[in-house]
Amino acid sequence: DIVMTQSPDSLAVSLGERATINCKSSHTVLYSSNNKNYVAWFQQKPGQPPQLLIYWASTRESGVPDRFSGSGSGTDFTLTISSLQAEDVAIYYCQQYYGTPHTFGQGTKLEIK
Amino acid sequence: EVQLLESGGGLVQPGGSLRLSCAASGFTFANYDMTWVRQAPGKGLDWVSGFFAHGGSTYYADSVKGRFTISRDTSKNTLYLQMNSLRAEDTAIYYCVRGREGTAWGQGTLVTVSS
Repeated sequence: DIVMTQSPDSLAVSLGERATINCKSSHTVLYSSNNKNYVAWFQQKPGQPPQLLIYWASTRESGVPDRFSGSGSGTDFTLTISSLQAEDVAIYYCQQYYGTPHTFGQGTKLEIK
Repeated sequence: EVQLLESGGGLVQPGGSLRLSCAASGFTFANYDMTWVRQAPGKGLDWVSGFFAHGGSTYYADSVKGRFTISRDTSKNTLYLQMNSLRAEDTAIYYCVRGREGTAWGQGTLVTVSS
């Protein structure tokens, strides 16, 4: 199984500042035939199901604010929130869908400093 | 509007069985891969099983292989998860998810395995 490891486990950032969450996979998730990285990022707020933010490592889902961006390739990926808003307090998960099982990272809890 | 509505959760004794259902609407169900993801209380996300539309292939996490069976009925736009030989560690909210990328999630149904 591909192991997804996120860092840090928790993060406190001031409003308006940048938040960066990293995700490392134990095996490449870049499919050479289409040059796509099979990584998604999700946001989960308390009592709610997860919501897709980013897929193909860097494609923003429709309706997601442009302060959210994804980057990386191969085994190393990053979710960046360019200017933290109060409503961004949540747990963030990365997931690979390159190979089954489609494993998730352990989650990163983002709070306001 | 895309909607996924799970049902069938509840309290069951260890060793028991449950069948979860996920009623899909607002999209062409037959064309999409579908998965089940669970979340134990206070824990992270755990991919359980997938039904891939192309070829009808099914996949399972090792922790549920041989005990859970995923299926779908395209005439009813419904995804199922038959869960047998349930264990305490299967206690979780079970989410129905559209697509390998997780483009839509249901609200989930709670399964509690306890005596």
